[in-house]
Amino acid sequence: GENVEQHPSTLSVQEGDSAVIKCTYSDSASNYFPWYKQELGKRPQLIIDIRSNVGEKKDQRIAVTLNKTAKHFSLHITETQPEDSAVYFCAASIGRTGNQFYFGTGTSLTVIP
Amino acid sequence: GAVVSQHPSWVICKSGTSVKIECRSLDFQATTMFWYRQFPKQSLMLMATSNEGSKATYEQGVEKDKFLINHASLTLSTLTVTSAHPEDSSFYICSARLSPRERDTGELFFGEGSRLTVL
Repeated sequence: GENVEQHPSTLSVQEGDSAVIKCTYSDSASNYFPWYKQELGKRPQLIIDIRSNVGEKKDQRIAVTLNKTAKHFSLHITETQPEDSAVYFCAASIGRTGNQFYFGTGTSLTVIP
Repeated sequence: GAVVSQHPSWVICKSGTSVKIECRSLDFQATTMFWYRQFPKQSLMLMATSNEGSKATYEQGVEKDKFLINHASLTLSTLTVTSAHPEDSSFYICSARLSPRERDTGELFFGEGSRLTVL
């Protein structure tokens, strides 16, 4: 099955700085890569996603890049704010035909005011 | 957006008893639902994929007889932890995808999670 690795496991940044979280995947058939934010005790929430036919996607302060050849994708958060503090998970799935979503190990992001 | 409701949100039970957790899609039909287990400060571990009207597909290492999954309708999947033991204590989260008829984009919609504590 798919193997998704995520780094770093913890990340602390000063408010206003950028944060980058990286993931790699193993199954070249994976074509859908979402990022989820999970606050303590709450359900994961989708923040951005990207499909394999796109190399980059941006939504305000959040962007995701995908390198299909290298099988890695990254989350970029700019101008970080304290409310960005949470655990972030990347995931990989084989789009509409796939029935499994495999998650990375998570990154605990702390934004220091 | 699509809403997934999970119940109960928190349950405490005695060792040896069985606990049922429900996962409902409130405003859409979910052909496929997923069950995850999450330990503190750890990732979401896929336990099984639940398909409406058929047997669930379990991940390697997950005991089918211990974690019974039933997906009897397009809006409800249940996870029953049978003969629960303290090591089964965890946070269980379900998620669902829209059915192909409802323009499945691939996005997962998560339930609120159920915290199980086995004494």
